[in-house]
Amino acid sequence: ETGVTQTPRHLVMGMTNKKSLKCEQHLGHNAMYWYKQSAKKPLELMFVYNFKEQTENNSVPSRFSPECPNSSHLFLHLHTLQPEDSALYLCASSQDSGNTGELFFGEGSRLTVL
Amino acid sequence: AQKITQTQPGMFVQEKEAVTLDCTYDTSDPSYGLFWYKQPSSGEMIFLIYQGSYDQQNATEGRYSLNFQKARKSANLVISASQLGDSAMYFCAMREAFSGGYNKLIFGAGTRLAVHP
Repeated sequence: ETGVTQTPRHLVMGMTNKKSLKCEQHLGHNAMYWYKQSAKKPLELMFVYNFKEQTENNSVPSRFSPECPNSSHLFLHLHTLQPEDSALYLCASSQDSGNTGELFFGEGSRLTVL
Repeated sequence: AQKITQTQPGMFVQEKEAVTLDCTYDTSDPSYGLFWYKQPSSGEMIFLIYQGSYDQQNATEGRYSLNFQKARKSANLVISASQLGDSAMYFCAMREAFSGGYNKLIFGAGTRLAVHP
């Protein structure tokens, strides 16, 4: 079982649809993250959850709604998206410890908005 | 404000040769960490190597080494003996000091490495 699992891997949706991206981590980490990776742009941090509490929201439009029911699961609810929201959405987790604190990423959910 | 700069959009290297990927950073925080990640076409970001700002020696992990020059604010990745499987995007990232038990990484634009046989 991989450390961080994202579903679905690919998603095509219209601008009026409502869909959700799911992320699950099996590493026992306390923090989870959503990053957006658009073509020709650096990865952008969207949200951070630490022990289920949202600690960072980097001015993300309200059409993206995160949910973290527990430290192992993270969702990104999508509604009335725009074509410019098409991107690879990466989920990551990390552990609060004395280690390097690197982020462990999933393979991403590639979203296409028509 | 923190910033990571990768000036090489693409690099080519011959198989079995060494290659250096450049990364410069800017921060006013004395405590920070620097990371390199590899992203193959599958999309997953794979952690390669880490360098802490107070580490005296350059980090090494197998064929990867990090050439850390603190005064110049550079953290270049060196891949020795390149392999075809090294073809991927490579991202440099920086973390400020730990903030409440989670990490806020900012990433550079990335360098696409192509290894030729």
